[in-house]
Amino acid sequence: DTEVTQTPKHLVMGMTNKKSLKCEQHMGHRAMYWYKQKAKKPPELMFVYSYEKLSINESVPSRFSPECPNSSLLNLHLHALQPEDSALYLCASSLGTAKETQYFGPGTRLLVL
Amino acid sequence: EDQVTQSPEALRLQEGESSSLNCSYTVSGLRGLFWYRQDPGKGPEFLFTLYSAGEEKEKERLKATLTKKESFLHITAPKPEDSATYLCAVQAKNQAGTALIFGKGTTLSVSS
Repeated sequence: DTEVTQTPKHLVMGMTNKKSLKCEQHMGHRAMYWYKQKAKKPPELMFVYSYEKLSINESVPSRFSPECPNSSLLNLHLHALQPEDSALYLCASSLGTAKETQYFGPGTRLLVL
Repeated sequence: EDQVTQSPEALRLQEGESSSLNCSYTVSGLRGLFWYRQDPGKGPEFLFTLYSAGEEKEKERLKATLTKKESFLHITAPKPEDSATYLCAVQAKNQAGTALIFGKGTTLSVSS
């Protein structure tokens, strides 16, 4: 089973709201990722967690705050977002951090009004 | 600079008309090359991982090959359900952690 689940599927929020995206995998993977994808563009890496520790932050604005409570869960906390942050947010996981295939979840479609 | 280029950007085929998608890359050292399929509004679905030149992998109507400079995704006798965007990504040795460098994708449309 190579399933990564994400909730919610869709999210609409105002610029003053606080919301969270959730990602879960039960494949025993030790690396988890957040990507952002705009329409007709490839995914862009935001964060990488390796063994529950943040290992990569690709200069993402502080209004995005990742959290990895345990090896199976990954959250992305959102606060004071801008309309240009509207996108498909993808979670992925891989067994390790070198040469490992990344498996993606279905994504959360976020609209910021 | 590490770079991935996919061509063509869009491809229209008739059902049964075989073709190939290209992914050319320039990286300082290749750890792996990955092919994904993505349907509109959904997450990328893993297809193949290739690690070294000469490697080939097959799955149903798809076959992926790898050389030192490029990879091809061959589609044999495509069906309308093969319509999707196909993404190629590489992991380079000089990239921190496990960062993937994605190409812009090839959007395939197969008509019956």
